[in-house]
Amino acid sequence: AQSVTQLDSQVPVFEEAPVELRCNYSSSVSVYLFWYVQYPNQGLQLLLKYLSGSTLVESINGFEAEFNKSQTSFHLRKPSVHISDTAEYFCAAGGTSYGKLTFGQGTILTVHP
Amino acid sequence: GAGVSQSPSNKVTEKGKDVELRCDPISGHTALYWYRQSLGQGLEFLIYFQGNSAPDKSGLPSDRFSAERTGGSVSTLTIQRTQQEDSAVYLCASSSIVGDPPTGTQYFGPGTRLLVL
Repeated sequence: AQSVTQLDSQVPVFEEAPVELRCNYSSSVSVYLFWYVQYPNQGLQLLLKYLSGSTLVESINGFEAEFNKSQTSFHLRKPSVHISDTAEYFCAAGGTSYGKLTFGQGTILTVHP
Repeated sequence: GAGVSQSPSNKVTEKGKDVELRCDPISGHTALYWYRQSLGQGLEFLIYFQGNSAPDKSGLPSDRFSAERTGGSVSTLTIQRTQQEDSAVYLCASSSIVGDPPTGTQYFGPGTRLLVL
């Protein structure tokens, strides 16, 4: 069965500092990877996704993630975070023909001024 | 509306009562998913619909849980004889493209927060 591991449950960081949220997956078949973000009291929103092609994917708000097949990782990075990036981030993998997602446990990113 | 909607937004019930949770997917989306988000368990897949049929119910935790979808649109998740461990946020998502590869982005609703007393 597919599994997704987010290595850090909480990541505190100061504003304008870089951040990396780590995600590893386990799968022996093709995998499609996603990062979702959940702001306080809001629903899940797709941040970015890797389906195929370029291993580096970017979001519109400055986040990027790199698919690394050899390390089975899909870490999320941002070179300079803002207070507004404070949220919970979920890594997810889909590998079936209908797109059922398996989620990691989530990482709470807290950006301090 | 343009997004996935769910109702009610909050539901408080007594142990042993039945509850119904509703999901309105984005118009035209053929795939619909239910997930559960709870402390300690994270986000768990419950069931998937393609049209009105449910090819995968493997995530439903017990036979107290059931779901249906009518007209290829609205879905209802029913929990019978609720237990305290059913307390969670129930999320619905829909997607427009299903296939191989599954390139359709899943759009999530705001969820229904269920509290069983």
